[in-house]
Amino acid sequence: DTGVSQDPRHKITKRGQNVTFRCDPISEHNRLYWYRQTLGQGPEFLTYFQNEAQLEKSRLLSDRFSAERPKGSFSTLEIQRTEQGDSAMYLCASSSWTSNEQYFGPGTRLTVT
Amino acid sequence: AQRVTQPEKLLSVFKGAPVELKCNYSYSGSPELFWYVQYSRQRLQLLLRHISRESIKGFTADLNKGETSFHLKKPFAQEEDSAMYYCALTGTASKLTFGTGTRLQVTL
Repeated sequence: DTGVSQDPRHKITKRGQNVTFRCDPISEHNRLYWYRQTLGQGPEFLTYFQNEAQLEKSRLLSDRFSAERPKGSFSTLEIQRTEQGDSAMYLCASSSWTSNEQYFGPGTRLTVT
Repeated sequence: AQRVTQPEKLLSVFKGAPVELKCNYSYSGSPELFWYVQYSRQRLQLLLRHISRESIKGFTADLNKGETSFHLKKPFAQEEDSAMYYCALTGTASKLTFGTGTRLQVTL
């Protein structure tokens, strides 16, 4: 499968714990995006990378959230001191620099208890 | 600020009936508009984009800048069209702004 992959697919954690998600984009894509989706809502933009540079962060991305893309390939999204309000589906997408067509991964569903 | 509005949470139609999923947007410049679809237990996937002016799976969408709309249409609904549909736009930045989605339910 050459599409966008995300790991893990599901994560259950207790409030206050740290979690880290991984996204592997389509190999030739140099843009990578993170979105969050809660029940009844469309995906909401969190942050975006072009190669290894993080070019934009949403106000939704509080200080407890950090994203990296150290070698311009895979990316990680870490949430520190999780809260129940962080429970959501976290989506990753990638695109080439020549197109605005974004291809989405299957998502990581986070449940904070 | 950019915004996408999908006024209907659920649209239920009979098989063979025409479908129109509404999408209105707010953006000060020239946006690029998309429709994404999510079938049950599948990932979000691009259905069509306004600049390509294609018909995908019988669906079409025309950008109306005067009405700031990008409604999705299909003349004859099929059972396999049942899914969640999201309208989205992107402006000068690459991020997508999505609407809240419309669930299309096609019944026999």
